[in-house]
Amino acid sequence: GAVVSQHPSWVICKSGTSVKIECRSLDFQATTMFWYRQFPKQSLMLMATSNEGSKATYEQGVEKDKFLINHASLTLSTLTVTSAHPEDSSFYICSAALAGADTQYFGPGTRLTVL
Amino acid sequence: ELKVEQNPLFLSMQEGKNYTIYCNYSTTSDRLYWYRQDPGKSLESLFVLLSNGAVKQEGRLMASLDTKARLSTLHITAAVHDLSATYFCAVDPKGGTASKLTFGTGTRLQVTL
Repeated sequence: GAVVSQHPSWVICKSGTSVKIECRSLDFQATTMFWYRQFPKQSLMLMATSNEGSKATYEQGVEKDKFLINHASLTLSTLTVTSAHPEDSSFYICSAALAGADTQYFGPGTRLTVL
Repeated sequence: ELKVEQNPLFLSMQEGKNYTIYCNYSTTSDRLYWYRQDPGKSLESLFVLLSNGAVKQEGRLMASLDTKARLSTLHITAAVHDLSATYFCAVDPKGGTASKLTFGTGTRLQVTL
């Protein structure tokens, strides 16, 4: 089946630093990738939609200059949290969709803790 | 703005009992998904419902979709402890190829021995 990986699985960083999270589709080409954020005991909130070779589309209230998304190839999208602060601590989950498919495949998530 | 509500938010049930989780959504859609999430883990896909009247079953779980009522249900039959998890429904309002999902509030299920 379709597999999506994320790296790292967890990261702890100091306030003010930047953190990059990778999302890879391992056995298929994903024309579209999605980035979600989940705070403890809450639901998933979509942050942005990423299409290969074009700029990401951000949801309302998500700062595009703070959460940089790059979808450089059909198998890789990256999310960079710039100048991270403790309130950015969260569980970040990506998903990937095959062209023409009606479902998304979710990565295992990355837990970010900002001290 | 699409809203997706689940109830109950928390459900504690004994092993062997039956129960239903409800997912209501506020806009037209014929594409609804159910996921399971274990603590500290990502989402596991349970069901994909793509048309009005769709019903799917896997083990002790059965999901259905009524697009006219904008309602999906996840029925649990003879619950076992291993079903303890948080269950999310998610709606894709656009149809066609997979697009962005709006998730429900989640239902935390605790099955007690």
